[in-house]
Amino acid sequence: DAKTTQPTSMDCAEGRAANLPCNHSTISGNEYVYWYRQIHSQGPQYIIHGLKNNETNEMASLIITEDRKSSTLILPHATLRDTAVYYCIVSTNTGGFKTIFGAGTRLFVKA
Amino acid sequence: ETGVTQTPRHLVMGMTNKKSLKCEQHLGHNAMYWYKQSAKKPLELMFVYSLEERVENNSVPSRFSPECPNSSHLFLHLHTLQPEDSALYLCASSQDPGGQPQHFGDGTRLSIL
Repeated sequence: DAKTTQPTSMDCAEGRAANLPCNHSTISGNEYVYWYRQIHSQGPQYIIHGLKNNETNEMASLIITEDRKSSTLILPHATLRDTAVYYCIVSTNTGGFKTIFGAGTRLFVKA
Repeated sequence: ETGVTQTPRHLVMGMTNKKSLKCEQHLGHNAMYWYKQSAKKPLELMFVYSLEERVENNSVPSRFSPECPNSSHLFLHLHTLQPEDSALYLCASSQDPGGQPQHFGDGTRLSIL
C-alpha cells in the first residue's frame, strides 16, 4: 500500500497558485518526500523532493511541515499545461526498489 | 525529452503473438525498471535491473520476460498474453539501483485482442 494520502482531484484557475497536499504520517527519518506528475499520454515526470527543509526549483515549491507528517506542493502560477496527475511518494534516496506510487491527485487547471 | 526512449509507442497484438518492448536510456544510469499502468490503477512495479542484473521480480507471470543486455537497454518480451495485460508499460531509470529520482519514458500502450 502507498505510504501517502492525497486528495483524489482538485481544480485550480489558470494563473492562480495550485496547492497540492500530501499526508505521510508514517514517514521515517531517512525518507525523503518526492513529487512526480503524469501528463496524459506521457510517463511520470520528477518535479521536486525534500527531506526537512522547504525546497524550490523552476517548476514548483515544496513545503514540508516541521513534524514531516505532511507536505504541500505549490505551483505558483498554474497553466493549462499543468493539468496532470500529481504523485507524492516517500522514499529513501536509495529507494530499496519498492517505490510505491499511489493514485495521486488529478489536478484540473481551468481557463 | 526525458532521456528514456521507449518503442513502440503503441502495440496491438493477438494472444498468441510474440512481441518485444524496447527501452533505451541515454543518462548513464545504472538501474532500469519496468512498470505496468492499467486503467484506473496505480503504477505497479514489475522488474528492476541493477547493472544488468535482475534484482526484483514482483510476482510477474512468466509470459512477461525481461532482458537487460547492457546498462542502457532494457527489453520486455511478451508471449501468450491475456486481455487483462492490456495496459501502459513504462520504463524508467535511476542513477543508483533503487534510487530516486527515476526518469520515465512515455510508455508503450499495449492492447491485447
